[in-house]
Amino acid sequence: GDSVTQMEGPVTLSEEAFLTINCTYTATGYPSLFWYVQYPGEGLQLLLKATKADDKGSNKGFEATYRKETTSFHLEKGSVQVSDSAVYFCALSGSSYKLIFGSGTRLLVRP
Amino acid sequence: NAGVTQTPKFQVLKTGQSMTLQCAQDMNHNSMYWYRQDPGMGLRLIYYSASEGTTDKGEVPNGYNVSRLNKREFSLRLESAAPSQTSVYFCASSESGQFYGYTFGSGTRLTVV
Repeated sequence: GDSVTQMEGPVTLSEEAFLTINCTYTATGYPSLFWYVQYPGEGLQLLLKATKADDKGSNKGFEATYRKETTSFHLEKGSVQVSDSAVYFCALSGSSYKLIFGSGTRLLVRP
Repeated sequence: NAGVTQTPKFQVLKTGQSMTLQCAQDMNHNSMYWYRQDPGMGLRLIYYSASEGTTDKGEVPNGYNVSRLNKREFSLRLESAAPSQTSVYFCASSESGQFYGYTFGSGTRLTVV
């Protein structure tokens, strides 16, 4: 079945460092891909999405490119801030229309 | 915009007690979902409702029941709570189709003692 694999955390960075969180997927057909962010004590918020191969989703300085050849959707940000500390979830939506989530990656940004 | 509203935010139950988690959305979405979130396991789908009048089991439905009361409301019931059901529960809603992300509620933190 469809699945999503994320790098394990926590990821600890200093402020203004470059961020990459790896995400790979297994799916039949052509899924849509998503990144969600969860701040402490809150629900998940959609961060960005891409619905077809080579699409780049972007929001709040975060970017991810849908790479079908490597089945990946890695999240990147050029300069992280303390306020980016959160848990990040990669997810896919395939033929069943239901979102399938990775296990999440905790990001901690130190001043 | 209220989005997706869940009640209650916190609940402590004794083993064997029952309760209903409420969820309502005001975005006119067709589809609604219940997930549970446990440490290290991401989010797991309990039940979903693709449209008003339909419900289907997700990945972990045992011990739960749901009701899609109308297009806005989707409730989750625990008939006889067990400690293994201690978790954070999230309700979500979406448009139909794979291109749409979900809008999540802020969650219900449930502890079963």
